[in-house]
Amino acid sequence: GAGVSQSPRYKVAKRGQDVALRCDPISGHVSLFWYQQALGQGPEFLTYFQNEAQLDKSGLPSDRFFAERPEGSVSTLKIQRTQQEDSAVYLCASSLGGGRTGELFFGEGSRLTVL
Amino acid sequence: AQSVTQPDIHITVSEGASLELRCNYSYGATPYLFWYVQSPGQGLQLLLKYFSGDTLVQGIKGFEAEFKRSQSSFNLRKPSVHWSDAAEYFCAVGPNSGGYQKVTFGTGTKLQVIP
Repeated sequence: GAGVSQSPRYKVAKRGQDVALRCDPISGHVSLFWYQQALGQGPEFLTYFQNEAQLDKSGLPSDRFFAERPEGSVSTLKIQRTQQEDSAVYLCASSLGGGRTGELFFGEGSRLTVL
Repeated sequence: AQSVTQPDIHITVSEGASLELRCNYSYGATPYLFWYVQSPGQGLQLLLKYFSGDTLVQGIKGFEAEFKRSQSSFNLRKPSVHWSDAAEYFCAVGPNSGGYQKVTFGTGTKLQVIP
């Protein structure tokens, strides 16, 4: 597609439910990032993929958070047993990669509300 | 570890007035620096970036930023603000090295433009 696509745009979950957020990056982009943006804050790094390899997951806040990118394209961020503090916008970004920090292209985000 | 400070949470300017948004970074060497803009309900869009060379960089929508190594700053400027510039602005820093591209964002500055 022309840009980074995220789904769903909005998700309401009851506390304890599992959720899955999908990211479809720009075709051919090697690098893929997930960020968490709480209300009134800047994006906080969660995890980074280069192709299918998850090179950094240091930002994942707990073992309830899990991300995958099995074929080096679409990625899924899964949150198990959601808690109220997980409420945030989850942003996906992709970049061409190639071993140099470059422009990140962001999706519009998935807004998660945990009741 | 790299970090970014945006000391102004909220700025209000009159349409047609000049604008300067402050950004200070912490990084062990010369970093890659970025400014992104986020309109309500939208993803982040790159305004401009500094990699090397001329310390005054030009971006889209008439924005520019100046890298000052001695002050660890990368302030964003615009000579005449338009009402459509009302948005949230994020400064970001990334590593100036190959292989890994983790980008760290500041907490953002929300710009309000009054007629």
